[in-house]
Amino acid sequence: EIVLTQSPGTLSLSPGERATLSCRASQSINSNSLAWYVQKPGQAPRLVISDASTRAAGIPDRFSGSGSGTDFTLTISGLDPEDFAVYYCQQYGDSPVTFGLGTRVEI
Amino acid sequence: QVQLQESGPGLVKPSETLSLTCTVSGRSITSNYWTWYRQTPGKGLEWIGNIHYSGRTNYSPSLKSRVTIFIDRSKTRFSLNLNSVTAADTAVYYCARGDGWHLYWGPGTRVTVSS
Repeated sequence: EIVLTQSPGTLSLSPGERATLSCRASQSINSNSLAWYVQKPGQAPRLVISDASTRAAGIPDRFSGSGSGTDFTLTISGLDPEDFAVYYCQQYGDSPVTFGLGTRVEI
Repeated sequence: QVQLQESGPGLVKPSETLSLTCTVSGRSITSNYWTWYRQTPGKGLEWIGNIHYSGRTNYSPSLKSRVTIFIDRSKTRFSLNLNSVTAADTAVYYCARGDGWHLYWGPGTRVTVSS
């Protein structure tokens, strides 16, 4: 199965700063089938990006996804207080679907 | 607006069967794939498996011998059975719509395996 490694484990930033989150796959992901989710305590994951770079409905344009093959990035340009949470990457190009262990973005 | 809601016992004894149901509203279940996940502090988010409305299923290799996912005859719910549970199956279980990325998730239900 494809192992996804997210870095850093924790990102300590201030509101208004830029966040860059990395997701590296153990092998190339088919068709850039990679998604990003945000999760807050006690809630289900919420889709942010699909297909490596397509923003989900209702997601602000300060969120952007990029990358291909084995290296993917989620960028948040100008952190809003509501953005401080845990972010997960997920690959769905190969079975079984797998997730990274997450990056915590904290103040 | 599609809504999903998990339901089932919050406590299951070791060696017994964990049974959960996901009730779907706002969209017919007779389309698309429907998926189960679970989340633990140690292993994070884990894909359990999914079912297509035709009845075709796909299961995680690590759980395949213990898992069954099926669609209720009412066609408004789909269910998960996980047998021979141990403490390692203690988790928050989520249902979601689709195969791949998921826009719609249930809020999750916590299941503890303990005697």
